[in-house]
Amino acid sequence: KNEVEQSPQNLTAQEGEFITINCSYSVGISALHWLQQHPGGGIVSLFMLSSGKKKHGRLIATINIQEKHSSLHITASHPRDSAVYICAVLLNTGNQFYFGTGTSLTVIP
Amino acid sequence: DGGITQSPKYLFRKEGQNVTLSCEQNLNHDAMYWYRQDPGQGLRLIYYSQIVNDFQKGDIAEGYSVSREKKESFPLTVTSAQKNPTAFYLCASRPRGAGVYEQYFGPGTRLTVT
Repeated sequence: KNEVEQSPQNLTAQEGEFITINCSYSVGISALHWLQQHPGGGIVSLFMLSSGKKKHGRLIATINIQEKHSSLHITASHPRDSAVYICAVLLNTGNQFYFGTGTSLTVIP
Repeated sequence: DGGITQSPKYLFRKEGQNVTLSCEQNLNHDAMYWYRQDPGQGLRLIYYSQIVNDFQKGDIAEGYSVSREKKESFPLTVTSAQKNPTAFYLCASRPRGAGVYEQYFGPGTRLTVT
């Protein structure tokens, strides 16, 4: 059983579309971390949030602690957004993260 | 520039050999982590260290060993006891403390054992 579930696993979108990636978790957490992994394998941090909503450019992340659910939205998607998006939760202990399996996004021009 | 370096990017070894993966950071972070990534699976924690000279096993520590003699460095040794060592290995670091801090990742090392 995975403590962190992401959906969808794979997503193909046309350039310009609004994209939503979902993350649900079953453990008590301090915060949730959205990450982006490019084909070469490097991982960059997008957002870390423990409540509410954060926005950076065309990316928006929301979290509902009561429902144990977070969403990552991409507005006006672009081919350069093509990557794997990973959700990770920071456990209440503050020491350890659990990771989802990732959502592979392809944006077609 | 501050960041995390992992070397080498690609590593090839014969079965039965131990191999050490390097991870160095100059971010002055106390906590460091080693993860393993396999196709179709999420990152899984091998070991982590909160302070120098101290480290804890993660979920898949069997067949691996680490050391933390310096704050900047957290090398991972993949021993011959690890049954399926071929994988992508990622090192990460973050500040330690009461706040909610994000992880910073190195570029990864892709290990192939034949």
